[in-house]
Amino acid sequence: NAGVTQTPKFRVLKTGQSMTLLCAQDMNHEYMYWYRQDPGMGLRLIHYSVGEGTTAKGEVPDGYNVSRLKKQNFLLGLESAAPSQTSVYFCASSYGTAFTYEQYFGPGTRLTVT
Amino acid sequence: AQKITQTQPGMFVQEKEAVTLDCTYDTSDPSYGLFWYKQPSSGEMIFLIYQGSYDQQNATEGRYSLNFQKARKSANLVISASQLGDSAMYFCAMRGGAMDTGRRALTFGSGTRLQVQP
Repeated sequence: NAGVTQTPKFRVLKTGQSMTLLCAQDMNHEYMYWYRQDPGMGLRLIHYSVGEGTTAKGEVPDGYNVSRLKKQNFLLGLESAAPSQTSVYFCASSYGTAFTYEQYFGPGTRLTVT
Repeated sequence: AQKITQTQPGMFVQEKEAVTLDCTYDTSDPSYGLFWYKQPSSGEMIFLIYQGSYDQQNATEGRYSLNFQKARKSANLVISASQLGDSAMYFCAMRGGAMDTGRRALTFGSGTRLQVQP
């Protein structure tokens, strides 16, 4: 049981390049989330998914796209990277709809855009 | 909209002493959950403790307890008998209930960096 895994762990991009971050969970969770964490700040929600085939925008969605073709995977894409997207990206998943359920986090992806 | 405020950017505590990390929140949702996460220097997010808005008793998990004062909208984390391994960033977070429009995402505070001194 690996929990939530993220690929890659580190990445350096040049402005304008594209990339995809992969999140995978093996807990059969319905809900999945992408957050970003900037220095000195808490995590902010980028996009989320309440089930396979569904996605929705969070608080800071600009410049990102997501897809959830399989229940266990949630992909975050950057079509044209900008220095402002330099951040640590966390994926999380949750079992159900109740607010009592904790979220399980992946180890994070540190992205630098030069 | 939900908001979490952590007013202590940094805290120092002596080993074996207790420390309280402050958290206040704002929401119009009658039902919600409050969480504390620990982020060590290695970067992962570790779940520590949970308190539901309807829970009558304060949550406890080992050396962690949550001092929940609903009327004051505060959910302070108390760490007893601090250890060197407790040095980390600590985040308070909230997850909404009926008014959450189905997201059930976490809203985070800006965190408190705790340093435990020997």
